[in-house]
Amino acid sequence: SQQGEEDPQALSIQEGENATMNCSYKTSINNLQWYRQNSGRGLVHLILIRSNEREKHSGRLRVTLDTSKKSSSLLITASRAADTASYFCATDGRQTGANNLFFGTGTRLTVIP
Amino acid sequence: EAGVAQSPRYKIIEKRQSVAFWCNPISGHATLYWYQQILGQGPKLLIQFQNNGVVDDSQLPKDRFSAERLKGVDSTLKIQPAKLEDSAVYLCASSLGGDYGETQYFGPGTRLLVL
Repeated sequence: SQQGEEDPQALSIQEGENATMNCSYKTSINNLQWYRQNSGRGLVHLILIRSNEREKHSGRLRVTLDTSKKSSSLLITASRAADTASYFCATDGRQTGANNLFFGTGTRLTVIP
Repeated sequence: EAGVAQSPRYKIIEKRQSVAFWCNPISGHATLYWYQQILGQGPKLLIQFQNNGVVDDSQLPKDRFSAERLKGVDSTLKIQPAKLEDSAVYLCASSLGGDYGETQYFGPGTRLLVL
């Protein structure tokens, strides 16, 4: 299976702290994306990092990618209660030749006000 | 810009019954995806359409699941007959052309409970 795994499975922090989530995957990729899912809602795209990039920033988000270790991390700085959600990494279907996304198992983040 | 629309939002059925879900993608998006998300797991792709053609249905349980996108716009996903393990959220997503790295836009999902 190409599905990745996030670590930790659950994370609880105080508002204002930073949150770091890790993702490991199994096959070679063209790019890796992070999505957020609020309870009972669909997924929202956060950020994409290409296989030839090592770090990318978007607002309070920082993503790193290490293709040699097949791993990525998502850092959310200065967390807010509204950041409470599940976060998924998703890799593309480079093996299948289509833009299929293979999602990890997710990290459930709780930000306590 | 209107997002991806899905209906119904919730459905409860008995096992062995049939059920259908509907999806209307973002206008102009050629690629449409159906994902199954079991509680506590990440979404798993069931089928991907490019316009009205199937790009990938390798993970679709074809003995009971079927999907169509007849005019290259709306799509329906059907389960017949349903099993207990089909209880999940069914997510529809769309993207502009289906190229690598394209953002997929997700609908709110249909939550299915099979009793």
